[in-house]
Amino acid sequence: DGGITQSPKYLFRKEGQNVTLSCEQNLNHDAMYWYRQDPGQGLRLIYYSQIVNDFQKGDIAEGYSVSREKKESFPLTVTSAQKNPTAFYLCASSYYNEQFFGPGTRLTVL
Amino acid sequence: AQSVTQLGSHVSVSEGALVLLRCNYSSSVPPYLFWYVQYPNQGLQLLLKYTTGATLVKGINGFEAEFKKSETSFHLTKPSAHMSDAAEYFCAVSDREDSSYKLIFGSGTRLLVRP
Repeated sequence: DGGITQSPKYLFRKEGQNVTLSCEQNLNHDAMYWYRQDPGQGLRLIYYSQIVNDFQKGDIAEGYSVSREKKESFPLTVTSAQKNPTAFYLCASSYYNEQFFGPGTRLTVL
Repeated sequence: AQSVTQLGSHVSVSEGALVLLRCNYSSSVPPYLFWYVQYPNQGLQLLLKYTTGATLVKGINGFEAEFKKSETSFHLTKPSAHMSDAAEYFCAVSDREDSSYKLIFGSGTRLLVRP
């Protein structure tokens, strides 16, 4: 089945640690996105990539980093510089103007 | 800059009643418009979208939305609510002049369906 997978589903991080969230898609989509979701705030764009080896900052990129070495993969690293990383993280890919979302990763800082 | 406003963070309806979730956008050029649904601890699923053509758009699960340019609105409706409709709904826009197709989301409306 075609789709987007995110792992892990739940992730716990100690303060000061970097963690990497995985996002993989087999839809052959060029563009991929990372969003952060907080209660009552909707989704906010962290980073996006329209093509392999290229990515752009979104509205809340500080404290995050990404890479796009393969078309299928767009991992997100939450660094220790992100002061409030506890949130639900959603990855998406798009075919023209329609985005398809993965199941999400819930990150909790202990 | 584009923005999206969803009126009402929570909407409660009785099973069988009309569902109306409101969405207004701010944009100098009419954007692409979307409604997504999210069930607890899951990703988002596209309900429907407006890109061009007929302004009344039909989606999955009996939902529909009407693009009204003069009102800069894209409200979501369903004639008869079902218990399974209880979820959070997000309105989103995308600038049709931006090839990145980035989405800007509203803050969401949680729909509660009473038996």
